[in-house]
Amino acid sequence: DVKVTQSSRYLVKRTGEKVFLECVQDMDHENMFWYRQDPGLGLRLIYFSYDVKMKEKGDIPEGYSVSREKKERFSLILESASTNQTSMYLCASSDIPPSYEQYFGPGTRLTVT
Amino acid sequence: RKEVEQDPGPFNVPEGATVAFNCTYSNSASQSFFWYRQDCRKEPKLLMSVYSSGNEDGRFTAQLNRASQYISLLIRDSKLSDSATYLCVVNMGGGGYQEVTFGIGTKLQVIP
Repeated sequence: DVKVTQSSRYLVKRTGEKVFLECVQDMDHENMFWYRQDPGLGLRLIYFSYDVKMKEKGDIPEGYSVSREKKERFSLILESASTNQTSMYLCASSDIPPSYEQYFGPGTRLTVT
Repeated sequence: RKEVEQDPGPFNVPEGATVAFNCTYSNSASQSFFWYRQDCRKEPKLLMSVYSSGNEDGRFTAQLNRASQYISLLIRDSKLSDSATYLCVVNMGGGGYQEVTFGIGTKLQVIP
């Protein structure tokens, strides 16, 4: 059974703080993703990675960076948190195509005050 | 125009009813289609893939209409446990993950 874990379920940070969200998957998947989910907007892709040290921007990369030093771990970094980054952050992983099924972690509810 | 559109609902239906959701997509070159289910405060999980010939899994039937550019999900004999948000997912293009787009989801509430 695929398992994707995220470092925190709930996080409260102050404006301007540097924030690290970590994601670990245990299925040796090549691809990993970071999304944010907001009411009325659905899931929006921030970044994805198709291999160690490889990354690609998604639809909304501004204000975020990522790191993938090991295959199983994908980190999302908010260099200087802002209130408009308050959201639910979901990490996902998937095997290579043709399987596009994505397995999601439980999510991190981040509040920036 | 959004690339993937869904009616957000909520759809309130009695137990035992049949309910159908549609999802329209804008890119005629879209290649792969999926329905995910997301329970309240939980992560999305794949419900079923949508094939050109349509597919059925128990009470759930998914259909693809390429001419009109929509996919549908039909749920028969609704159960209380079917209450969730159903996300339409479309792979727009040539295989890259940046082409995978999620709809905003349709909320279903099955009422006793």
